[in-house]
Amino acid sequence: GEDVEQSLFLSVREGDSSVINCTYTDSSSTYLYWYKQEPGAGLQLLTYIFSNMDMKQDQRLTVLLNKKDKHLSLRIADTQTGDSAIYFCAESPFSGGYNKLIFGAGTRLAVHP
Amino acid sequence: EAQVTQNPRYLITVTGKKLTVTCSQNMNHEYMSWYRQDPGLGLRQIYYSMNVEVTDKGDVPEGYKVSRKEKRNFPLILESPSPNQTSLYFCASNQGDTGELFFGEGSRLTVL
Repeated sequence: GEDVEQSLFLSVREGDSSVINCTYTDSSSTYLYWYKQEPGAGLQLLTYIFSNMDMKQDQRLTVLLNKKDKHLSLRIADTQTGDSAIYFCAESPFSGGYNKLIFGAGTRLAVHP
Repeated sequence: EAQVTQNPRYLITVTGKKLTVTCSQNMNHEYMSWYRQDPGLGLRQIYYSMNVEVTDKGDVPEGYKVSRKEKRNFPLILESPSPNQTSLYFCASNQGDTGELFFGEGSRLTVL
């Protein structure tokens, strides 16, 4: 079945780059997403990548997609304390359309001075 | 301001006492859904709705009911809550042409 896996915790020093990794199973997914959840809040879409792209850059964020290995990564350059949050990888399997996103368990990013 | 509003934000109840978590969106979105978030499991979809009077089960629908009588509202009903339904619940809406879901702030439910 559909599954999205990601590591649960990442700790980085302020100013360093953070790389959060994710693997997914459904090769039919049209889009892959990164959502951010700040403490006490709901999830917000951070960025997404279309499945026929290898890379997408948006200011400090770089998304890399390796479709052959079904591997997605999110790189945050110059990580700041405000980036501390839980980051969720998600896919939209073709069978579910855009109404059924499959989320990973979330990676908690801790940024320390 | 575009938003998804859930109530209550926090609730402690006892086994078997029916409860409803309300959800309302002001973006005229056609699609609405409910997720539960549990540690180590991420978000799992409970139910979703594609339009008024159209609902379908997600991955973990057991013990829950929903209704969609109006476009803006999508309440989640727990007819007879049990302790394994203790969780953080999120309502979300989207237009349906992208996977950009707009989430409420969450409702933390504890069933004793």
